[in-house]
Amino acid sequence: EVHLVESGGGLVQPGRSLRLSCAASGFTFDDYAMHWVRQASGKGLEWVSGISWNSGSKDYADSVKGRFTISRDNAKKSLYLQMNSLRAEDTALYYCAKDMSPYSGSGSDYFDYWGQGTLVTVSS
Amino acid sequence: QSVLTQPPSVSAAPGQKVTISCSGSSSNIGNNYVSWYQQLPGTAPKLLIYENIKRPSGIPDRFSGSKSGTSATLGITGLQTGDEADYYCGTWDSSLNAVVFGGGTKLTVL
Repeated sequence: EVHLVESGGGLVQPGRSLRLSCAASGFTFDDYAMHWVRQASGKGLEWVSGISWNSGSKDYADSVKGRFTISRDNAKKSLYLQMNSLRAEDTALYYCAKDMSPYSGSGSDYFDYWGQGTLVTVSS
Repeated sequence: QSVLTQPPSVSAAPGQKVTISCSGSSSNIGNNYVSWYQQLPGTAPKLLIYENIKRPSGIPDRFSGSKSGTSATLGITGLQTGDEADYYCGTWDSSLNAVVFGGGTKLTVL
């Protein structure tokens, strides 16, 4: 059974940094692209970033480009999101999601498994 | 303001059929596959439809997808109270180089 478990969320002041992690199990992690999707309270889904199976391709939403960095460690079956220069508008529940394809940004990005999310709150 | 446009809400009676539209442009829906997600209250999204019309294993055939030009549609037949949820369309946008979602549609089964 596929499991995605996010961690690392919390309360952080504006301008500070936070690193999210996602531990994967139940599938061959290095066969698939992975993504981060966030959802502010009471709002819709917003894609944040995606990374291909071999880290060869990384894509970012304009809203986080230059501030967030996605990475993965296939040996540890883990996905990460380094978030710098955090803003109040980054406050959201952050989901880790598995792609059905090895490639991010291929035009065929479908997320067949999601974690339960980790909450990030940016506030002074 | 979402790149993909969905109606904020739809409603129908149990047993009836409902459709949810998703409108985009040539840079997204017009030239890429569409997926649909169901988000029940307090839970993570769940993939319902991918590649415009395909259903993952375990998704009942009451759920269907279609696409024409720069618009896509999710259809749900035999509505059940358990179908009450938010529904999102998603696709790749070749101009933004990003995955984009619709703003979501809240389905109420009266």
